[in-house]
Amino acid sequence: AQSVTQPDIHITVSEGASLELRCNYSYGATPYLFWYVQSPGQGLQLLLKYFSGDTLVQGIKGFEAEFKRSQSSFNLRKPSVHWSDAAEYFCAVKNQFYFGTGTSLTVIP
Amino acid sequence: GAVVSQHPSWVICKSGTSVKIECRSLDFQATTMFWYRQFPKQSLMLMATSNEGSKATYEQGVEKDKFLINHASLTLSTLTVTSAHPEDSSFYICSAPLLGHGANVLTFGAGSRLTVL
Repeated sequence: AQSVTQPDIHITVSEGASLELRCNYSYGATPYLFWYVQSPGQGLQLLLKYFSGDTLVQGIKGFEAEFKRSQSSFNLRKPSVHWSDAAEYFCAVKNQFYFGTGTSLTVIP
Repeated sequence: GAVVSQHPSWVICKSGTSVKIECRSLDFQATTMFWYRQFPKQSLMLMATSNEGSKATYEQGVEKDKFLINHASLTLSTLTVTSAHPEDSSFYICSAPLLGHGANVLTFGAGSRLTVL
């Protein structure tokens, strides 16, 4: 069965520090993978997606993610976090039918 | 860009009443829309796929008589929570496929928070 796991429920980082949010998936074929951000009162916003090709994908707001088939992972990274990045982050697989449980990011000054 | 609008953004109702949530695609047509439910601090769970001009497809475990979905036009899908009870309190989110990406990329509404007293 398809599933998405986000091991970290909550992460706190200092502003300016680097960030990595983990995502592991279980899917029979090569998956379509997505990262979304959800801010209070706003809809989910697509950060980036991977369908095929280059395994390192660039997204909006300075985010990137790397698809690693051997590890069944699609971790989200950002080299320098801004206070405005505090939000809930969701990894999703296939046509976004399957979402991870989310990682809540807190950014401290 | 393609925008999905949900209304109302929040609603409070008494137990036993019905509540309708609208999902509109602005400036684009959506023959398919998806309805999700999100509990606090939890993930989005797909409830059903709304199909314009035909019956919705419900995910396993979702009561179709409780959650009525109607997709009467190419820009509007509605979710009606019938005879609502406190356990139906949740955040309901709709989405529609982005133009040019087939069904592979969705744009999401801002969600509707339902509180049943």
